[in-house]
Amino acid sequence: GAVVSQHPSWVICKSGTSVKIECRSLDFQATTMFWYRQFPKQSLMLMATSNEGSKATYEQGVEKDKFLINHASLTLSTLTVTSAHPEDSSFYICSARVVAGQETQYFGPGTRLLVL
Amino acid sequence: GNSVTQMEGPVTLSEEAFLTINCTYTATGYPSLFWYVQYPGEGLQLLLKATKADDKGSNKGFEATYRKETTSFHLEKGSVQVSDSAVYFCALSDSNYQLIWGAGTKLIIKP
Repeated sequence: GAVVSQHPSWVICKSGTSVKIECRSLDFQATTMFWYRQFPKQSLMLMATSNEGSKATYEQGVEKDKFLINHASLTLSTLTVTSAHPEDSSFYICSARVVAGQETQYFGPGTRLLVL
Repeated sequence: GNSVTQMEGPVTLSEEAFLTINCTYTATGYPSLFWYVQYPGEGLQLLLKATKADDKGSNKGFEATYRKETTSFHLEKGSVQVSDSAVYFCALSDSNYQLIWGAGTKLIIKP
């Protein structure tokens, strides 16, 4: 099946620094990638939808200047948490859709961010 | 708007017990329905899906039937194993192919 990787899997950073998370589709080209955030004991929350070569579409309440998304190629999307604060600590998950019009998404293993 | 409601966990069962995790949805149109599973320390995996009414999705002994009349997609397994312990998410895909998620149900299987 289609494989999606994320890097890093774990990151600890100081408050005020920026952190970049990479999401790669390893064996397919992804026209669309999604970024989710998962709070403890809660469901996934969609943050933004990222289409290759265009600006990401952010969900209501998600600060686009704080969570910068770049979908530079059909196999790579990055999420940068700028000026991170402790409340940004969470589990960030990306997913990729193989082809336009196909509903199934393949998920990365997630990145756990801890901001001190 | 579209939404998914699934039973609260944790659900604790003994090995070889019968499993049902309820999932109901509200949606306009004809969404596709999914069950995803997240094993401890791992990412989400698609478990099964159904794209139209009366379809049955199945995988690894799990089954779910798309019931339009009751707007449900309950997950069932006849005999659970310790290795089935995980968090299970019900989801629907709306007309924009975005996934709408349930809150997740933690399943604990005791030997």
